[in-house]
Amino acid sequence: SQQGEEDPQALSIQEGENATMNCSYKTSINNLQWYRQNSGRGLVHLILIRSNEREKHSGRLRVTLDTSKKSSSLLITASRAADTASYFCATGRNTDKLIFGTGTRLQVFP
Amino acid sequence: KAGVTQTPRYLIKTRGQQVTLSCSPISGHRSVSWYQQTPGQGLQFLFEYFSETQRNKGNFPGRFSGRQFSNSRSEMNVSTLELGDSALYLCASSLAGTGNEKLFFGSGTQLSVL
Repeated sequence: SQQGEEDPQALSIQEGENATMNCSYKTSINNLQWYRQNSGRGLVHLILIRSNEREKHSGRLRVTLDTSKKSSSLLITASRAADTASYFCATGRNTDKLIFGTGTRLQVFP
Repeated sequence: KAGVTQTPRYLIKTRGQQVTLSCSPISGHRSVSWYQQTPGQGLQFLFEYFSETQRNKGNFPGRFSGRQFSNSRSEMNVSTLELGDSALYLCASSLAGTGNEKLFFGSGTQLSVL
């Protein structure tokens, strides 16, 4: 069963615009991670935020975590065509496996 | 450092056959996890191996099995293939395999069952 659900399922924007994706999950977590997947390829880790953190930045990425609402958001600023991919959140607990959400498909038009 | 290597990249089988997929983790990584990805179901966790022991298992039938060797390389096997087994099978490795680490994924094996 899926732990997380991303919203929206699909997002289309123009280059230069910001893209925001949301993730909701159901149980307590130790950390939440975001991954990117280019079509038909493996996933690439983007960022990890721990349950005691509220916000984290990495380059053009900004992740927020609200454990009271069991939700996270991923913001990609100044999007580029190369950002076109599917984005997944994944939740982790101490000795458990990572559980992935359903993903958001992002299309960035040049 | 070489990344996670999965072989083969593509595979076509017919119903009833069996298949073995291979995964070589990043050097030094002792945990290998397997996921099945389909358009309708997203990424579903199959199992995780650490030091040759299966440590976690997802909700898949017994036709899906795996193993890990002493060099941390892992294989997964699907017996009596069904049409619904068509999917991208992803392998991921990490140092210790706890839920607190990031995973390094291979490019996957695209399995088509005809």
